[in-house]
Amino acid sequence: DVKVTQSSRYLVKRTGEKVFLECVQDMDHENMFWYRQDPGLGLRLIYFSYDVKMKEKGDIPEGYSVSREKKERFSLILESASTNQTSMYLCASRVSDEQFFGPGTRLTVL
Amino acid sequence: GEDVEQSLFLSVREGDSSVINCTYTDSSSTYLYWYKQEPGAGLQLLTYIFSNMDMKQDQRLTVLLNKKDKHLSLRIADTQTGDSAIYFCAETSDISSNTGKLIFGQGTTLQVKP
Repeated sequence: DVKVTQSSRYLVKRTGEKVFLECVQDMDHENMFWYRQDPGLGLRLIYFSYDVKMKEKGDIPEGYSVSREKKERFSLILESASTNQTSMYLCASRVSDEQFFGPGTRLTVL
Repeated sequence: GEDVEQSLFLSVREGDSSVINCTYTDSSSTYLYWYKQEPGAGLQLLTYIFSNMDMKQDQRLTVLLNKKDKHLSLRIADTQTGDSAIYFCAETSDISSNTGKLIFGQGTTLQVKP
């Protein structure tokens, strides 16, 4: 079974803090994705990566950056967290025509 | 840009059929997906359909695609309380490239009443 894990299920941070969200997949997938999920808006793509050290902006990259130093790990970074970044963050990896999702990290920025 | 639209809420009684609808704008869509999200969990792929198909059936699930109207539906027969979840429609037209980007709808919350 494909497994996508995220480092935290729940996270509470203060405005201005630097936040790291980690995602690890165990199936040697090349493509990995970070989404945020907000009620009534569905999932919106923040960044994705199709290879180590390769990254592309999604639809809402502002305020975020990413890092892909190893194939299995894709990190989302909030350089200076703001309250409007309070959300559910979902990581996914892809093989062929299917994306596999992690359980999500619910981030609250106070 | 591409857009995918779903109604936000559907309530049915246990044992009835549920029909969740989705419309999309991208005429070059290749694959269309249905994902399920149970409370507190990530998304789980339920089924998908290739754009040259009209229908796909998998046990209690039936997917219908009207490509002319850009309309996709998911029918769940004999709906159970365990089917209560958020259902997301998604599409991609990048399957042949290296990206696999998905465009998601807003999600439909299905409430199943006993």
